[in-house]
Amino acid sequence: NAGVTQTPKFRVLKTGQSMTLLCAQDMNHEYMYWYRQDPGMGLRLIHYSVGEGTTAKGEVPDGYNVSRLKKQNFLLGLESAAPSQTSVYFCASSYSVTGEGYTFGSGTRLTVV
Amino acid sequence: AQSVTQLGSHVSVSEGALVLLRCNYSSSVPPYLFWYVQYPNQGLQLLLKYTSAATLVKGINGFEAEFKKSETSFHLTKPSAHMSDAAEYFCAVSDLHFGNEKLTFGTGTRLTIIP
Repeated sequence: NAGVTQTPKFRVLKTGQSMTLLCAQDMNHEYMYWYRQDPGMGLRLIHYSVGEGTTAKGEVPDGYNVSRLKKQNFLLGLESAAPSQTSVYFCASSYSVTGEGYTFGSGTRLTVV
Repeated sequence: AQSVTQLGSHVSVSEGALVLLRCNYSSSVPPYLFWYVQYPNQGLQLLLKYTSAATLVKGINGFEAEFKKSETSFHLTKPSAHMSDAAEYFCAVSDLHFGNEKLTFGTGTRLTIIP
């Protein structure tokens, strides 16, 4: 079982460059999420999606865009990277039924210089 | 909005000693509560969850947690620590108002095991 797969695992960007992080899940989950993890701040929700073709803003959406064109994929884009976006990014997915919890990917470590 | 507070960003215990990681929540409605574990350079893995059934919840790797409504707590315990328990632990609460599993996480507790 692949679960939730994130690509790439590591990336270094220069300030102002753009990139897309890909999240793919094979569990037929309806809901998908992008979080960033920073020391001492836990996980903060960037954007999420409750189904194919839908997206919504989370706690810290500025500087990021997302798309969910296919149910199994959730893309996170940085149009113009800034050093403040240096972080570890996690994708997660879940069923729509409350109480099941999330399945997480292994993360993408992004450094913006 | 619901929130969780994890007391102690770092906890150290000796191998074989009791592990106690604290989590308090705030919620205007009965919450669903979760504990996740993150090993170095890995994603988060579900340890256990409380979804309004039994108040004492048993999870993987010998961990358990007790939901105490009067204390708004959901502390994580393990009777005897093992070196392999060294990791970061996150408490999370589910925001039921969204009708889905949108979780709010605590800031995490890093557990160190002393040989």
